[in-house]
Amino acid sequence: DAKTTQPTSMDCAEGRAANLPCNHSTISGNEYVYWYRQIHSQGPQYIIHGLKNNETNEMASLIITEDRKSSTLILPHATLRDTAVYYCIVRGNYGGSQGNLIFGKGTKLSVKP
Amino acid sequence: DTEVTQTPKHLVMGMTNKKSLKCEQHMGHRAMYWYKQKAKKPPELMFVYSYEKLSINESVPSRFSPECPNSSLLNLHLHALQPEDSALYLCASSAGQGHYGYTFGSGTRLTVV
Repeated sequence: DAKTTQPTSMDCAEGRAANLPCNHSTISGNEYVYWYRQIHSQGPQYIIHGLKNNETNEMASLIITEDRKSSTLILPHATLRDTAVYYCIVRGNYGGSQGNLIFGKGTKLSVKP
Repeated sequence: DTEVTQTPKHLVMGMTNKKSLKCEQHMGHRAMYWYKQKAKKPPELMFVYSYEKLSINESVPSRFSPECPNSSLLNLHLHALQPEDSALYLCASSAGQGHYGYTFGSGTRLTVV
């Protein structure tokens, strides 16, 4: 069972920030939040992950609320190539299925010119 | 080399055929995974190998038989498949089963006729 809730789809104007929300109200203390994306006809691509602190890398920023029940993935300057399905995944410690990547339905982000 | 290579990219097979999908990585990763993805659905975990040993089988039918001959290679042997097994088969690897990002291949598009 997916532990996350995401909007089915979102639009974003090219050059603007894309903010993708994710609810994970049942997250446990030792579970991390991961974000992946899948561009059409390609394999999923790792973006970022975090436990409770905000994280930033060259692709995106991850903002996790203080109660850890929700998070937001931020693409600071969206381009047409960022059009993809974005998956928010809650992942526990390894050992058993919950320690692996279990994908939910994701958000289809469409970046428009 | 930071890629996971899957071959073939496309495969059409009859229901009585035997075929194999191949996955290769040279990143020194010790965990490897098979996922199945039907059209417009998220990837579903099938098998997990850790240090060349099968650690998770997500109740996959026996007509799918995984094999990990060494730490760089992962095969998926297919026999007596059904048309509903037609899907994109994705391979992934990670440094271990801890909190590491997964690197996915581009997948094999399988059609069973």
